[in-house]
Amino acid sequence: SQTIHQWPATLVQPVGSPLSLECTVEGTSNPNLYWYRQAAGRGLQLLFYSVGIGQISSEVPQNLSASRPQDRQFILSSKKLLLSDSGFYLCAWRFRGGDEQFFGPGTRLTVL
Amino acid sequence: GNSVTQMEGPVTLSEEAFLTINCTYTATGYPSLFWYVQYPGEGLQLLLKATKADDKGSNKGFEATYRKETTSFHLEKGSVQVSDSAVYFCALNRYNQGGKLIFGQGTELSVKP
Repeated sequence: SQTIHQWPATLVQPVGSPLSLECTVEGTSNPNLYWYRQAAGRGLQLLFYSVGIGQISSEVPQNLSASRPQDRQFILSSKKLLLSDSGFYLCAWRFRGGDEQFFGPGTRLTVL
Repeated sequence: GNSVTQMEGPVTLSEEAFLTINCTYTATGYPSLFWYVQYPGEGLQLLLKATKADDKGSNKGFEATYRKETTSFHLEKGSVQVSDSAVYFCALNRYNQGGKLIFGQGTELSVKP
């Protein structure tokens, strides 16, 4: 069976500090991968998606970047965090050619 | 463009009440439709899905029918429990854009004993 991991689970960072959030998927190969942010309230904003190693599509211009150094690893980064980067970050994966996405447990980021 | 609209929340019900959460969509072609549930502090879980018109998705007592003529995918449950308290998201699939999901804004459900 497939599992998706995210870490850390929670993170408190000062404004201007760097960020690295990691997501890994087990039990499948060549998945599509996605990063979402859920800010105050409940709405989900798609940040990045990837259909293969080194292939990243950005959905919104922002202070964040994503990388996919390995088939089942997806990393969300920032060089300098802003207060507005606070939120709940969710990673998701999808079988190539599949319908639904499967979500990880999320990382709660607070920027102070 | 493609979009999903859900009814405003929060929805507050008593245990064993009937639940309906409305969802309508705008899309080109024939997307798959989904309901996801998010419990406090957790990620999203797929609740049910339907892939073509008149399909009924069902899981854990929840049901939703893909209605192409009304572009709707309303979520229903006959008798809610306190444990159903969560935020519910309706979504559709954009196959030609990396399988991106378009989400509604979410509807918070609170069930009181």
